[in-house]
Amino acid sequence: GAVVSQHPSWVICKSGTSVKIECRSLDFQATTMFWYRQFPKQSLMLMATSNEGSKATYEQGVEKDKFLINHASLTLSTLTVTSAHPEDSSFYICSARGRENGYTFGSGTRLTVV
Amino acid sequence: GQQLNQSPQSMFIQEGEDVSMNCTSSSIFNTWLWYKQDPGEGPVLLIALYKAGELTSNGRLTAQFGITRKDSFLNISASIPSDVGIYFCAGVYNQGGKLIFGQGTELSVKP
Repeated sequence: GAVVSQHPSWVICKSGTSVKIECRSLDFQATTMFWYRQFPKQSLMLMATSNEGSKATYEQGVEKDKFLINHASLTLSTLTVTSAHPEDSSFYICSARGRENGYTFGSGTRLTVV
Repeated sequence: GQQLNQSPQSMFIQEGEDVSMNCTSSSIFNTWLWYKQDPGEGPVLLIALYKAGELTSNGRLTAQFGITRKDSFLNISASIPSDVGIYFCAGVYNQGGKLIFGQGTELSVKP
C-alpha cells in the first residue's frame, strides 16, 4: 500500500531558530501534499496545499512567510517553520495524494520550541 | 468556510457494546472518510465512502455516506479495548480536493 514517511518524528528547538520537516511518498508519486497542524485534544487543521512544482496555497490565517512549504519533486515536500516560537509548538502532519491514491498520512512530527 | 460537526466529542463504553458517531456539514462533500488516530501518530484510514447512500463495512466497522451528501455515520460493533482512540470524519471538499476534518470523537472502552 501507499506509504508516506515523515521526519523527524520529534524535534526540540530553541526559540528563534528554524526547523525543517520532511514528508516523502515512498512508493507513489504525490501530485498533491497537504500539511496539517494539530494541537493537543484538537482536530487536524489544514495549513496549506501544495502541488508539485507550484507555490503552496495557504489557508486563511496561516502565515506563508513563517511556514515555508516546498514541493519540488513528486516524492518530497518540506515544511520549514521559520523563527519558531513556543506558540508554534504542535504536532505537524503531512498527507500525500497521488493520481491513483487516496490520502495517505505521515506519522507526524512533534515540534517543541523552548 | 467549510466545517464538519462531529458528535459525540467523547464516549465511555463497556467492552462489547456498540458505538455510533456521526458527522454533519452545511456543505456537500464528494467523499467521506473515517480515520482513527492513536496518540502521537498520524491518522489511519478506516473506511472511505464515495457515493451518496453508500454503506460500507470493514470488519466490525460500518459507515454510510448520507443521501444528502452532507452527513455520514460510523458504527463500531462489539467494541474491544483496542478500539480506544480518537476517530475523525473527514470530507473531501470539491475545490482543490482539500480534506477537512471533524472535531473528533474520543472513544474509551472499559474492559
